Amino acid sequence: DAMVIQNPRYQVTQFGKPVTLSCSQTLNHNVMYWYQQKSSQAPKLLFHYYDKDFNNEADTPDNFQSRRPNTSFCFLDIRSPGLGDAAMYLCATRTTTNEKLFFGSGTQLSVL
Amino acid sequence: ELKVEQNPLFLSMQEGKNYTIYCNYSTTSDRLYWYRQDPGKSLESLFVLLSNGAVKQEGRLMASLDTKARLSTLHITAAVHDLSATYFCAVRGYGTSGSRLTFGEGTQLTVN
Repeated sequence: DAMVIQNPRYQVTQFGKPVTLSCSQTLNHNVMYWYQQKSSQAPKLLFHYYDKDFNNEADTPDNFQSRRPNTSFCFLDIRSPGLGDAAMYLCATRTTTNEKLFFGSGTQLSVL
Repeated sequence: ELKVEQNPLFLSMQEGKNYTIYCNYSTTSDRLYWYRQDPGKSLESLFVLLSNGAVKQEGRLMASLDTKARLSTLHITAAVHDLSATYFCAVRGYGTSGSRLTFGEGTQLTVN
């Protein structure tokens, strides 16, 4: 059974049109991460949550926002997607006592 | 700033041969991770190495960690086609917002 679920699997949006990606988890993990992975590159951390505490990476553009309304759900909002934002977006979770990260299947975002 | 370097970035192997992927990192860390990624898919956790001298093996893959040299290796024994994928190492570093993983560039492995 899937434990970290990302929807949708593929998302197509238009240049400048806001888009939201979602992540849900059934593991009750308190730490959640959003990574951006461009083609043939390493995953890059955008931000993460320890419980409700939001931690933004210094080089994450303001265009990217996140919400975590409860333990199970986390959202990535891209306010005005540009062509350079086309990428795979990966959600991952863990507990503070276990080092292993559990990744979702990812959302492949295309910007037209 | 934590930097993680993998080499080689591309590796073409013959079935049945052995090879090693190297992962170097720039600052002190005691947590190193290896992930596998198939094309268009998410990351699958392979190993978590938690201490100096740690060695873990799963099937044809064996990972080791030398924290003094800031080096981890992923050794492939008698490669088979199913091992074709991209392999990432990731190192836990600390910043102002707590711990997070920094990934290497990935090694794209093709077994012919």
